Amino acid sequence: NAGVTQTPKFRVLKTGQSMTLLCAQDMNHEYMYWYRQDPGMGLRLIHYSVGEGTTAKGEVPDGYNVSRLKKQNFLLGLESAAPSQTSVYFCASTYLGGDRSEAFFGQGTRLTVV
Amino acid sequence: GDSVTQMEGPVTLSEEAFLTINCTYTATGYPSLFWYVQYPGEGLQLLLKATKADDKGSNKGFEATYRKETTSFHLEKGSVQVSDSAVYFCALGSGGSYIPTFGRGTSLIVHP
Repeated sequence: NAGVTQTPKFRVLKTGQSMTLLCAQDMNHEYMYWYRQDPGMGLRLIHYSVGEGTTAKGEVPDGYNVSRLKKQNFLLGLESAAPSQTSVYFCASTYLGGDRSEAFFGQGTRLTVV
Repeated sequence: GDSVTQMEGPVTLSEEAFLTINCTYTATGYPSLFWYVQYPGEGLQLLLKATKADDKGSNKGFEATYRKETTSFHLEKGSVQVSDSAVYFCALGSGGSYIPTFGRGTSLIVHP
C-alpha cells in the first residue's frame, strides 16, 4: 500500500537553483495539495488541484509552480530557489473534496536552500 | 472564511496523565471535523473524525466529540503513553471548499 509517495526526501539547493518535487498517489484521488510546514506556522497551502489538468493557487504560491498532467502525479517546481523556501514540503490527496474525506499525506521533503 | 484554532503547545505530561487538547472552529454550514497526528519525521495521518453534531470520533484511546453549540472538537485521552508524543492537528472540511483547513498543530511531549 504505497498511498502517497514523495521524492526526494531530502535536498540541499544553492540559491538560484531550480528543482522539481514529485508527488505520486495510487488511490485514484481527484484532489491533490502541496503544503509547506515551518516551525510555529502550521501547514500552509501552496497550490492545489481538483483534477487532472487543473491547478489553483493556495495561500503562499509565490515562487512555486505546479503541474498535474496525469491524475496520479502532482509536481511542485521551484524555478529559482531562495533561502526563504527552506522548509518541509508535504503533498496530500483526498478522494473527494476536503469536506468529504480524510487527507492522505506523503512522508515529506526536507528542503534546505543555502 | 473557515478557520481552526488550537491551544498552543507544547503540552508536557507524565505518562498515564489525562490529556485534553482544545480545538474550536469557525465555518459556514455543517463541516466535518478531523484530528490528525504527526509523529517525528513523518507526514500527517488521520487519527479520528466526526461528520455531524454530537458524533464522537475515537481511535487508539483518543476521543473527540463534535459540539456544534460551542463550535468545538476537543481531543482527549484518559492515559497517555510516551509513544503518544507527536504533533496533533485539528482540521475541518467545509462543504463550500475543496480544501481542508488545518489548525497550527499542538506538540505533545510525554515523559516516562
